[in-house]
Amino acid sequence: EVVMTQSPLSLPVTLGQPASISCRSSQSLVYSDGDTYLNWFQQRPGQSPRLLIYRVSNRDSGVPDRFSGSGSGTDFTLKISRVEAEDVGVYYCMQGTHWPRTFGQGTKVEIK
Amino acid sequence: EVQLVESGGGLVQPGRSLRLSCTASGFTFGDYAMSWVRQAPGKGLEWIAFIRSKAYGERTEYAASVKGRFIISRDDSKSIVYLQMNSLKTEDTAVYYCTRDDYYWGQGALVTVSS
Repeated sequence: EVVMTQSPLSLPVTLGQPASISCRSSQSLVYSDGDTYLNWFQQRPGQSPRLLIYRVSNRDSGVPDRFSGSGSGTDFTLKISRVEAEDVGVYYCMQGTHWPRTFGQGTKVEIK
Repeated sequence: EVQLVESGGGLVQPGRSLRLSCTASGFTFGDYAMSWVRQAPGKGLEWIAFIRSKAYGERTEYAASVKGRFIISRDDSKSIVYLQMNSLKTEDTAVYYCTRDDYYWGQGALVTVSS
């Protein structure tokens, strides 16, 4: 199965400062249709996961534009341009190109 | 409004079975594939099962950790996706979420496997 490796696993950030999370896959996530099925999720404490970014860089509806996704092949990044208090939680990448789908370990974002 | 509501969780002994249900509303259920994702206490997310729509033969996919023990199925007439969990192990203890398109998620159902 495809192994998804996130770093860092813990990310203390100052309010208003940027944050960046890396996600690397053990195989290319480019599907036969040419698309790359790499999603990012946010899970706030005590809540269900929420889809933030789909297919590498597409923000889901209602997701603030301070969130952005980038990358290609096996190397992907989620960036928060200016962290706000409501961004505290755990962030996961997930690949949907290969079966079984697999998640990264999660990155815990907290305020310093 | 799209809603997904899981039910059927609870305490079960190792080796026994349990069936989870996810009741959907607010969309044409039969048109969509559905998934189950679980989260052990204090741990990360683990994708476990997927079922395609009838148009794609209701074909299924499973994580290695549950393949051969869990069965995902659907009843489009009732807008329900099921997860039949057999031969349960203590490591199956988790909150189980159903999801559509990775965008819509239920609130989760807690399954505790313990003697």
